[in-house]
This record gives sequence, C-alpha cells and structure tokens, in this order.
Amino acid sequence: KQEVTQIPAALSVPEGENLVLNCSFTDSAIYNLQWFRQDPGKGLTSLLLIQSSQREQTSGRLNASLDKSSGRSTLYIAASQPGDSATYLCAVNEGGSEKLVFGKGTKLTVNP
Amino acid sequence: DTGVSQDPRHKITKRGQNVTFRCDPISEHNRLYWYRQTLGQGPEFLTYFQNEAQLEKSRLLSDRFSAERPKGSFSTLEIQRTEQGDSAMYLCASRRTLEAFFGQGTRLTVV
Repeated sequence: KQEVTQIPAALSVPEGENLVLNCSFTDSAIYNLQWFRQDPGKGLTSLLLIQSSQREQTSGRLNASLDKSSGRSTLYIAASQPGDSATYLCAVNEGGSEKLVFGKGTKLTVNP
Repeated sequence: DTGVSQDPRHKITKRGQNVTFRCDPISEHNRLYWYRQTLGQGPEFLTYFQNEAQLEKSRLLSDRFSAERPKGSFSTLEIQRTEQGDSAMYLCASRRTLEAFFGQGTRLTVV
C-alpha cells in the first residue's frame, strides 16, 4: 500500500527566506507526482506536476524535484512571501490506478 | 468559468438525512474524481469516472454513498442516512491530461 509522508508538518519562516518542503513515498512505481497548495477552508490549487521520467519542474519561484528510485520529492520555494502561507500537499499517482495518494501536508507560515 | 465548480460550498444537515453534492468539471475533461478530506489530513480517494462510466471505487465508499455522472458531464455524490463521521470536505477533481484540477469543495457538517 502506497504511503506518502511530508516533513515537516509545520514550518514558520521570515519573509525572504528560501525553504524546502519534503515528500517521501513508499512505492517507487509511480506514474507522476503533483504538488498542491491549499488555503484554509478552500480547495486545492495545482502547483507543479512531475512525470516519473522527469527529474524536476520549475514555475516562477517554485522548483520541484523527483528522485523516484529513493522515493523522494522536494519543493523549493525561493524568496518566500507572506502570500505563500498555506498548506502544501504532495500526491503521487500510482501506475495502474487513477487515484492520487496524498500526504498530510506541510503548513507553511511566512512572517512579514 | 474555466475551473471545477462545486455546489453547495457548505451544507449542514441533521444525522439521518440524505444529502447530494454536485460537481461540474472543466469542459472537455473526461476524467472526474471525488475525494474526502478531514481536518488535518490529506484528501482520500473515493471514486473515479471516465466519461459516464464509474471505473474505480474506494472501499471508503460505503453502501450509503453513491455517485453518478450521467452523460459524462457533471457528477453528483449522494450520501444517504448521514452520520456524524461523514462530516468532512468533499472535493471534486477533473483532468484531461496528466494534471488534476480541484474544485473549492463542499464542507459537510452533520449535527
């Protein structure tokens, strides 16, 4: 059974700091990995998707990497801003299934 | 509107009542998903449709839950005889290629 773990569960940083969020998964037979952002009481916003054949994806200040063999992904946020405060969720799409398996998320607070 | 739309956004119901939620996916997205999220947890998969066919169901989807997607467009999720444990955020997602897009969710509170 695929399990996704995100560390840390919560993170508080001052504005302007660069930071890394971690995601690990137990079964490396994934089809792709997707990072989402969730604001309190809201739905999920897709940030980046990495296919299993890719090593990284970038969008603006965000960079996501994937090491499929070791079952790890990282989300790097450069020059953090208070507007980045949210919960960040990692999800893997297993081969042979349509479902996404999510971690519990990392709650990020960026202090002005 | 280019996003996934869910209705209602909030629902409060008494235990034992039936509730129905609606999801309108992004136009031309043939794949549609329902997830459930409780406080402090990541979303959990409930069911998946490709066009009008329901192709995958989680064991979380008990007999009290039913989902439909007539004509392969919008979808409905019905919960019969609601229980307090059904209180959660119900999220709908759709996709045409690899990337999944989620709606704002329906927050269900069973009192």
